[in-house]
Amino acid sequence: QVQLVESGGGVVQPGRSLRLSCAASGFTFSSYGMHWVRQAPGKGLEWVASIWSDGSNKYYADSVKGRFTISRDNSKNTVYVQMNSLRAEDTAVYYCARAPQSCSGGTCYSDYWGQGALVTVSS
Amino acid sequence: QLVLTQSPSASASLGASVKLTCTLSSGHSRYAIAWHQQQPEKGPRYLMKLDSDGSHNRGDGIPDRFSGSISGAERYLTISSLQSEDEGDYYCQTWGTDIVVFGGGTKLTVL
Repeated sequence: QVQLVESGGGVVQPGRSLRLSCAASGFTFSSYGMHWVRQAPGKGLEWVASIWSDGSNKYYADSVKGRFTISRDNSKNTVYVQMNSLRAEDTAVYYCARAPQSCSGGTCYSDYWGQGALVTVSS
Repeated sequence: QLVLTQSPSASASLGASVKLTCTLSSGHSRYAIAWHQQQPEKGPRYLMKLDSDGSHNRGDGIPDRFSGSISGAERYLTISSLQSEDEGDYYCQTWGTDIVVFGGGTKLTVL
C-alpha cells in the first residue's frame, strides 16, 4: 500500500534552516509528481511546493518562493523540502502528498497524504 | 485569481445527509477539484476528484456514501447516512498551470 513518511521536523530559531524528508513506498516513486502542503496550528491547508516526477519542473507558493527548495532523489524514493530563512509564520505541520499518475504537466491534486512533520520556528 | 470558497461550518444529524459546497472564483468555473477529509488530529485523506462534467472518481477505500456533483462554479460533496467518524474538516483543492489552491475548509459536526 502507498506510504508517505515525513521526517526532519523540530524546533528551529528564526532565520535558520531545516530540511524535511518524505520517504515513499508502495508505488513506483519515479512515475509520480509530489507536493508539500502545510497546516499552521488551528488553520487550513496551504500548498507549499510541487515537483514533477523527473524533477525537471518545480512550483512554489509565493509565501515560500526564494526561501524553500523542493527536490527529490528517485533512487532513494524520497522527496525533500529545504527551508531557509525560516520565520515564525512558517510554523506548521508539513505534509507530503502524491500527485496522481494521470497528471501530466503543470501542477495537480493530491491522492495520498503522509501523516505530517511539525516544524516550530521560535527563539 | 484562482480562489476556492467554502462555508466555515456545517452540521447534520447521525444517519442524515449533508451537502458541502465549494465555489470556484469568477472565470474558473470549468476547473476540476478534489475533496479531502481531515478527521480530528489526523492527516488529510483524499476522497475524490470531481471533474467539470460532474463525473467523480473516489479514492481507494472511500465508500459510496461520499459523492460529488456540480452546478456552474459550485462543486458539491454529499455525504449520506452520516456516521460519527464523518465529523471533521473537509477541504476542496484545485490547480492551475503553476499553482495549487485549497479552500478554507468546512468543519462538519455530526449531531
